[in-house]
Amino acid sequence: LAKTTQPISMDSYEGQEVNITCSHNNIATNDYITWYQQFPSQGPRFIIQGYKTKVTNEVASLFIPADRKSSTLSLPRVSLSDTAVYYCLVGGFYNQGGKLIFGQGTELSVKP
Amino acid sequence: NAGVMQNPRHLVRRRGQEARLRCSPMKGHSHVYWYRQLPEEGLKFMVYLQKENIIDESGMPKERFSAEFPKEGPSILRIQQVVRGDSAAYFCASSPPGPRVDEQFFGPGTRLTVL
Repeated sequence: LAKTTQPISMDSYEGQEVNITCSHNNIATNDYITWYQQFPSQGPRFIIQGYKTKVTNEVASLFIPADRKSSTLSLPRVSLSDTAVYYCLVGGFYNQGGKLIFGQGTELSVKP
Repeated sequence: NAGVMQNPRHLVRRRGQEARLRCSPMKGHSHVYWYRQLPEEGLKFMVYLQKENIIDESGMPKERFSAEFPKEGPSILRIQQVVRGDSAAYFCASSPPGPRVDEQFFGPGTRLTVL
């Protein structure tokens, strides 16, 4: 199973763009990259998923270089409500039999 | 379409008692997963169920823990003879049928406190 490494914590200010990078050197050919967000006292929430290049939705963008050994979650113009833990996950049904493998996540703190 | 529902949201038990945690998946979802989050730690997979079948229980402690997802009704995670180390947040997630299950929808969790 591909292991992920991401910063333990990050600080930002309202209105800034935040980029969280995740390393996954052992990613397999059929693995997807998925990001989840977890607010305190809540369950995680799916943010975005991609396989290669760039994916954008109404919440975030995901940048994946050609070698797929890393990925960057980009949050445009963060607000205080974006303070949460962000998890990078790598895998898919055929590798992991359905279970999600969560790492330690990145605790993002947005200050006014 | 209601999201994943879990109850109770908070549960207090004394050592040696039983804890029953319930999870109702989203409508149309036939896959249910249970995860545990210890204080200041990430989520750890426990068990993956489909209706009336346990697909993967590799993350379940071998003793005192059991899970079911009956044909009718919610999924139940049962912890017998609870100990203080069982105090944690237990999250249930569900996903629709299909080969890709990366997107799972999580419930609000049940916070178990063992006194």
